[in-house]
Amino acid sequence: EIVMTQSPATLSVSPGERATLSCRASQSVSSNLAWYQQKPGQAPRLLIYGASTRATGIPARFSGSGSGTEFTLTISSLQSEDFAVYYCQQYNNWLGTFGQGTKVEIK
Amino acid sequence: EVQLVESGGGLVQPGGSLRLSCAASGFTFSDHYMDWVRQAPGKGLEWVGRTRNKANSYTTEYAASVKGRFTISRDDSKNSLYLQMNSLKTEDTAVYYCARASSSWEYYFDYWGQGTLVTVSS
Repeated sequence: EIVMTQSPATLSVSPGERATLSCRASQSVSSNLAWYQQKPGQAPRLLIYGASTRATGIPARFSGSGSGTEFTLTISSLQSEDFAVYYCQQYNNWLGTFGQGTKVEIK
Repeated sequence: EVQLVESGGGLVQPGGSLRLSCAASGFTFSDHYMDWVRQAPGKGLEWVGRTRNKANSYTTEYAASVKGRFTISRDDSKNSLYLQMNSLKTEDTAVYYCARASSSWEYYFDYWGQGTLVTVSS
């Protein structure tokens, strides 16, 4: 099983600032990496797939990068609606695994 | 508009059974792999299992934590996905989401239902 490790667990950021979230895979997943956003009481929402492709309707302030084992989600200028928990997921094999999540909170 | 609507959650005693349903609309259900993902209270996301489409013989896969206890099925004529959960344990308590896999070769989830809560407790 591929283990996905996200860091940090919690990120405190002021509105308008940049947020950088990391996700590391225990073995290469090529570019088969997705990012999701989850707000309290809501289902996860797809943000990024293929490590760097924004899903439909996702604002340009969200960007993804990386390949192999190291990935990054960047939110260029945090808006109030971006404070949430973010999960990465690898889908390089049939057993897709999620990271434990990074909570982005208001500083 | 793609919609996934889960139902069937509730309170069940340890060792009991429950069947969840997911009603799909707004897309060609029969074309897609469909998955179940769960989230224990205050915890992260855990993949539960998958059913492939007819073209791939409706084969299924399961997480080790539920294999042998949970069964995923689908009825393409009803655009519905099911999760039969037997021998439930307290650690199965979670919100269960059905999710659509983007394609047969890319298993990320482009649409999710709102979830249904399963509580296993005596």
